[in-house]
Amino acid sequence: QSVLTQPPSVSEAPRQRVTISCSGSSSNIGNNAVNWYQQLPGKAPKLLIYYDDLLPSGVSDRFSGSKSGTSASLAISGLQSEDEADYYCAAWDDSLNVVVFGGGTKLTVL
Amino acid sequence: EVQLVESGGGLVQPGRSLRLSCTASGFTFGDYAMSWVRQAPGKGLEWVGFIRSKAYGGTTEYAASVKGRFTISRDDSKSIAYLQMNSLKTEDTAVYYCTRESIAVGGNWFDPWGQGTLVTVSS
Repeated sequence: QSVLTQPPSVSEAPRQRVTISCSGSSSNIGNNAVNWYQQLPGKAPKLLIYYDDLLPSGVSDRFSGSKSGTSASLAISGLQSEDEADYYCAAWDDSLNVVVFGGGTKLTVL
Repeated sequence: EVQLVESGGGLVQPGRSLRLSCTASGFTFGDYAMSWVRQAPGKGLEWVGFIRSKAYGGTTEYAASVKGRFTISRDDSKSIAYLQMNSLKTEDTAVYYCTRESIAVGGNWFDPWGQGTLVTVSS
């Protein structure tokens, strides 16, 4: 049972837009920045969004992040087959004094 | 190019020890905190712990699941971070990733990540 809650899977057609939610609490998302990581099949994770909504250099602007209260979202527009991956949200938790991850969401591009 | 390379993984019996290394290049290693994250087969990501830079005391934090068994250390002169794993359990079987941690007010993030090294705990 992960501290941050994500849907196990989402799917959408190519060129469409999909959002992945991440729900937490006041001790993590509510008080600290949320980051998103993309893990392509068989690969190491990669930073996708940091500090709620910032894009690292080199990451496509088809990816965007947002946060409201104790929930965050990752949006991917113009879906492409190469976006098929597992996506994880993460944040520091002030109560547990640890970094907490969501359980991950598997994105399928139909 | 910023790069992290893990080494030291392998097959180990329950109760034994193993030390992983993370060799960094392409940045000033001593300026950054370093974290370890693991992923059990077919499962999600789990933060293991981190070590702060010397400027912030070089102190460590650990996940409850490994506290008291795992120790993170660093050698800034060699740009290497270590994960000493003692009293290993079968549930410690995972790919272990090393990652550089950036810290700002109200947040921290991991970038980049190493390729990972597999640790299998089995008799």
